[in-house]
Amino acid sequence: KAGVTQTPRYLIKTRGQQVTLSCSPISGHRSVSWYQQTPGQGLQFLFEYFSETQRNKGNFPGRFSGRQFSNSRSEMNVSTLELGDSALYLCASSPRDSYTDTQYFGPGTRLTVL
Amino acid sequence: DQQVKQNSPSLSVQEGRISILNCDYTNSMFDYFLWYKKYPAEGPTFLISISSIKDKNEDGRFTVFLNKSAKHLSLHIVPSQPGDSAVYFCAAKGNNDMRFGAGTRLTVKP
Repeated sequence: KAGVTQTPRYLIKTRGQQVTLSCSPISGHRSVSWYQQTPGQGLQFLFEYFSETQRNKGNFPGRFSGRQFSNSRSEMNVSTLELGDSALYLCASSPRDSYTDTQYFGPGTRLTVL
Repeated sequence: DQQVKQNSPSLSVQEGRISILNCDYTNSMFDYFLWYKKYPAEGPTFLISISSIKDKNEDGRFTVFLNKSAKHLSLHIVPSQPGDSAVYFCAAKGNNDMRFGAGTRLTVKP
């Protein structure tokens, strides 16, 4: 089975712009979660989608949003980018539930905001 | 609000010796704990887990210990190998919440 894929792998944006990141889960997985990784903060949970519905949301401002399509692929959008949004954004998929199932991570998208 | 802490950002050990990575948590609702390993340019991969009903789980060279009263878990790697050099994240689940630590960079020297 192919693993979790994320596109693009690297992205450079400037403050005020918006960005959309994409994640394709492992075939058959229906839960997709997004995380932000910054040095010293570890992985911070952004949100989880299941069957096109947001099931859980972390403590991030409304500038961070996401969606999931009927084929379980997910996109994450960040509007009005700030310098502090520079981070590695990781997507993880699991068969049904990120809480009860083991999560499988993609390689991440490295976002740099200038 | 860091509910899961890995206080050592880095650890260096000699090949063949034991590596001990530590993790502390504050939320008593956490009842399932995991360790992930991350190589550069790759996503974290699941390594080993432990439920709160156990105090030890072993898988080959990797053993996780859980001390519920101290809210502390540790990952032991014996013997350590250069290929184990990576960043290790601990994670805790409970009450429909999941938190990760900031990670510990392990370097195993040949």
